[in-house]
Amino acid sequence: DAGVIQSPRHEVTEMGQEVTLRCKPISGHNSLFWYRQTMMRGLELLIYFNNNVPIDDSGMPEDRFSAKMPNASFSTLKIQPSEPRDSAVYFCASSIRTESSYNEQFFGPGTRLTVL
Amino acid sequence: AQKVTQAQTEISVVEKEDVTLDCVYETRDTTYYLFWYKQPPSGELVFLIRRNSFDEQNEISGRYSWNFQKSTSSFNFTITASQVVDSAVYFCALSRMGGGNKLTFGTGTQLKVEL
Repeated sequence: DAGVIQSPRHEVTEMGQEVTLRCKPISGHNSLFWYRQTMMRGLELLIYFNNNVPIDDSGMPEDRFSAKMPNASFSTLKIQPSEPRDSAVYFCASSIRTESSYNEQFFGPGTRLTVL
Repeated sequence: AQKVTQAQTEISVVEKEDVTLDCVYETRDTTYYLFWYKQPPSGELVFLIRRNSFDEQNEISGRYSWNFQKSTSSFNFTITASQVVDSAVYFCALSRMGGGNKLTFGTGTQLKVEL
């Protein structure tokens, strides 16, 4: 079975450019999460969706960041304009969530973003 | 607020030694989930175990074992007879039970297993 798919795996861009990260969750999963990993801040949740609806975006750093989930099989995280401090590894994760149970999150391979 | 503390930043052991990774958590919730994830040098995050707060039984899976003690808010992870392939960063994480399931991660423990 395919796991969580992220693209691109690596992205190098210049300050001020728009960056779009993509994620395809595991088929049948109804929760999707975007995390960012840096040396300084570790792993931090940016936003998560349940059934394609954003539930908690309190971790989104600022208005330059936006995330969408137009359908159950695709999500994007966009940074516009990008800044050098956005350089990090961005992970997408998915899980199955019901009212009565919670299951572990499965992570994609990550996108390593470098903003020059 | 939830918090996970992994006080050990880095641990180095020689192959075949046993090693325990500590995890202490803070939460006001009476029900919650605890997790361990492994991040090998290749960078992906690999799920290892989930434990809910109702179940304080220790769990063993091959060379891995987990000790959950609610009284001390700890969820420690032991690798028996460590191997070089165990070298990775290990993260402990906490999640509320119900009403949203975002993970709060600790800062991770870098484990280096040498020959």
